[in-house]
Order: sequence, then structure tokens, then C-alpha cells
Amino acid sequence: SQTIHQWPATLVQPVGSPLSLECTVEGTSNPNLYWYRQAAGRGLQLLFYSVGIGQISSEVPQNLSASRPQDRQFILSSKKLLLSDSGFYLCAWSGDSTGELFFGEGSRLTVL
Amino acid sequence: SQQGEEDPQALSIQEGENATMNCSYKTSINNLQWYRQNSGRGLVHLILIRSNEREKHSGRLRVTLDTSKKSSSLLITASRAADTASYFCASYSGAGSYQLTFGKGTKLSVIP
Repeated sequence: SQTIHQWPATLVQPVGSPLSLECTVEGTSNPNLYWYRQAAGRGLQLLFYSVGIGQISSEVPQNLSASRPQDRQFILSSKKLLLSDSGFYLCAWSGDSTGELFFGEGSRLTVL
Repeated sequence: SQQGEEDPQALSIQEGENATMNCSYKTSINNLQWYRQNSGRGLVHLILIRSNEREKHSGRLRVTLDTSKKSSSLLITASRAADTASYFCASYSGAGSYQLTFGKGTKLSVIP
């Protein structure tokens, strides 16, 4: 069966520090991969998605970036965090372009 | 931008009652999906209804779709305290889109 792992689960970072969130998927190949952000009490904002290794599409211009160094690995990064980067970050995968998404448990980022 | 918008934003009911949540969307869709999110957790897919379907059932869940009105509803029958969660509708933004866009969600509280 397929599983998705996302880490770290929580982190507190100072403004201006770097960020790296990692997500890996097991049990499937060539998944579509997604990073969403959820502000407190709000809906989900799509940040990045990837349909293959090295293929990243950005939905929101900001100081975040994403990379897909391996087929089932998706990384969200920042060189310098802003206060507005605080939120709940969710990684997800899907098997095709119109199907359901399977989410990780999320990473809660607090920037102080 | 939000593809789906749920209504109401919050709903509080007694255990055993039915809960109805509505969703409106803007563009044509291949399918519409409903997800559930427990507080502080990732989203879990509940049900998918295709654009050529009008109604779908899964256990205590009933989903309807009216493409002429660009709306969908999720009915949870005989609610339980464990149904307390936020519920989101989601759809792909257009033909060939990989971007699953979520509404802001309905926060359901089921009182024992």
C-alpha cells in the first residue's frame, strides 16, 4: 500500500533562517506531488506541484521554492523565512491528473 | 483563487442529526471531491463525484452535484461526535489542470 511521510511535524524558526520540509511517498511510482499551505482557520493554498523529477510548477510567487530530486521525494525550502511564512504545510500525492489526493500529516511552522 | 466555496462556514448540531454542507464552484469540472480534516491533521479524501453523476453515496455520506448551478452538497446522516471536523470541497481548475483547488471549508461540530 502507498504511504506518505512528511517531516518535521513541528518547527519554530527565527525570521531570516532557512527552511527545509521533506516529503516522501512509498508504494507508488511517478506520483504527482503537491505542497499546500493552510493559514489558521483558512482553506488550502496550492504552493507548488510536480508531475515528474525536476518538473516544478509554482502557483504563488514568494520566497519559497520546491525541488524534486527523486521520483518520490518533494522538498520545500526557503533561504530566509518571513513572519508571513508561518502556517501549516501539507504535502500530498496523486496517481493521475484528475484523481484524489493523499495527504501527509502536515508540518506546523511558526516563524518568530 | 478559490475554486470552491463552502457554506456554511461553521455548523453545530446534536449527535444523531443530519449535517448538510454546500459548495459552489466557478469553472467547469471533471469531478468534485470532498475531504475531511480533523484539527491539526492532514486531509482525508471522502468521496469523488464525476461531472456526469448527480448523486453518490458512501456509508452515511451522500453527495449531490448540480453542474447547471455549479454546486454540490454533502450530507452526513445520523451524525456522531467523531464526525466533528472541517470539510472541504475541491475541484480541478480546468481541463488538463493538475491543480486541485480547495474551498475554505465548513467547520462541523457534533455535540454529544
